Amino acid sequence: KQEVTQIPAALSVPEGENLVLNCSFTDSAIYNLQWFRQDPGKGLTSLLLIQSSQREQTSGRLNASLDKSSGRSTLYIAASQPGDSATYLCAALSGGSYIPTFGRGTSLIVHP
Amino acid sequence: DAGVTQSPTHLIKTRGQQVTLRCSPISGHKSVSWYQQVLGQGPQFIFQYYEKEERGRGNFPDRFSARQFPNYSSELNVNALLLGDSALYLCASSLLSGTGDGYTFGSGTRLTVV
Repeated sequence: KQEVTQIPAALSVPEGENLVLNCSFTDSAIYNLQWFRQDPGKGLTSLLLIQSSQREQTSGRLNASLDKSSGRSTLYIAASQPGDSATYLCAALSGGSYIPTFGRGTSLIVHP
Repeated sequence: DAGVTQSPTHLIKTRGQQVTLRCSPISGHKSVSWYQQVLGQGPQFIFQYYEKEERGRGNFPDRFSARQFPNYSSELNVNALLLGDSALYLCASSLLSGTGDGYTFGSGTRLTVV
């Protein structure tokens, strides 16, 4: 059974800092890994989708990497802004299943 | 193009009542999945439907049921509501044409059981 862990659970940084959010998964036989953003009480917004054959994906100030062999993915946010404050979730789509498994998320606060 | 739409956005029910939540997927998406998210936790998988057939079921009691219609929209039903059913219910759609497809989520239905 796939298990996904996100560290840290919470993070508070000053505006302008570069930061890294971590996601680890126990079953390395994944099809893809997806990063989402969730604002309080809202649905999930997809940020980046990395296929199992890819090492990284970039969108604007966001860069996500994937290392299947070590069971890890990282989300790098450059030059953080207060508008980046949200919860960030990762989800792994495992081999043999079309059902993503989510981590608990990292709650990010970027203060001015 | 419209995204994934869920209705209602908020709902208050009394213990023991029944509730029906609705979801319309992105046009062309044939798969709908339902998740429950309680405060401070990641989404927990409830059901997945593909081409109107149940493809997966999470570890939820039989009080939870779902179905998918010919137009690929879906309903989630919860009977005999408990206080612990209070949560944000999320619907996600996907093409599922292959293993590379991602999921798109709706804004959710906030269910409060009193």
